[in-house]
Amino acid sequence: NAGVTQTPKFRILKIGQSMTLQCTQDMNHNYMYWYRQDPGMGLKLIYYSVGAGITDKGEVPNGYNVSRSTTEDFPLRLELAAPSQTSVYFCASRKISGGTDTQYFGPGTRLTVL
Amino acid sequence: AQSVTQLDSHVSVSEGTPVLLRCNYSSSYSPSLFWYVQHPNKGLQLLLKYTSAATLVKGINGFEAEFKKSETSFHLTKPSAHMSDAAEYFCVVSSGTYKYIFGTGTRLKVLA
Repeated sequence: NAGVTQTPKFRILKIGQSMTLQCTQDMNHNYMYWYRQDPGMGLKLIYYSVGAGITDKGEVPNGYNVSRSTTEDFPLRLELAAPSQTSVYFCASRKISGGTDTQYFGPGTRLTVL
Repeated sequence: AQSVTQLDSHVSVSEGTPVLLRCNYSSSYSPSLFWYVQHPNKGLQLLLKYTSAATLVKGINGFEAEFKKSETSFHLTKPSAHMSDAAEYFCVVSSGTYKYIFGTGTRLKVLA
């Protein structure tokens, strides 16, 4: 049971490049989330999904896109990278059942845009 | 609307002394409340959670938190700090929606 895995761990992009951050969970959770964490700040929600085929915007969706074709995978796409997207990105899945409500976080992807 | 306020951005304690990290919340509904810890360059780990059962919640590594509805608070405490407790701590609220709302974090420093 690997939990939530994210790839890559680190990445440096040039302005205008694109990339996809991968996120996979093996816990069969319906809810999945993408957050960004800027230095000295809490986590801001970028996008979330309540199940395969269903996604919605969070607080800071501009410059990002997501898809959810399977329960396991929730990739985050950056188009036309900008320095303002330099951040640490966390993916999470969430278990809600029988009074239990817990988010499980991946280890994060540290992205630098130069 | 939900919100969460962590009252201290930095807290310093000496090793072996008590820890108090303060969190106030605002919620229209009965909330679920969580504390997460983040060690340097690591992901977030759940410390403890309140989901309308006992108001005093015990977590991992000797931490506990008390839900006080009248004060809209969910402060995190530990009787005796250890060097390994140095980390960033996040208070989080959820009120039956799909979203978690994170506080801005409290950085705990433990002095030898």
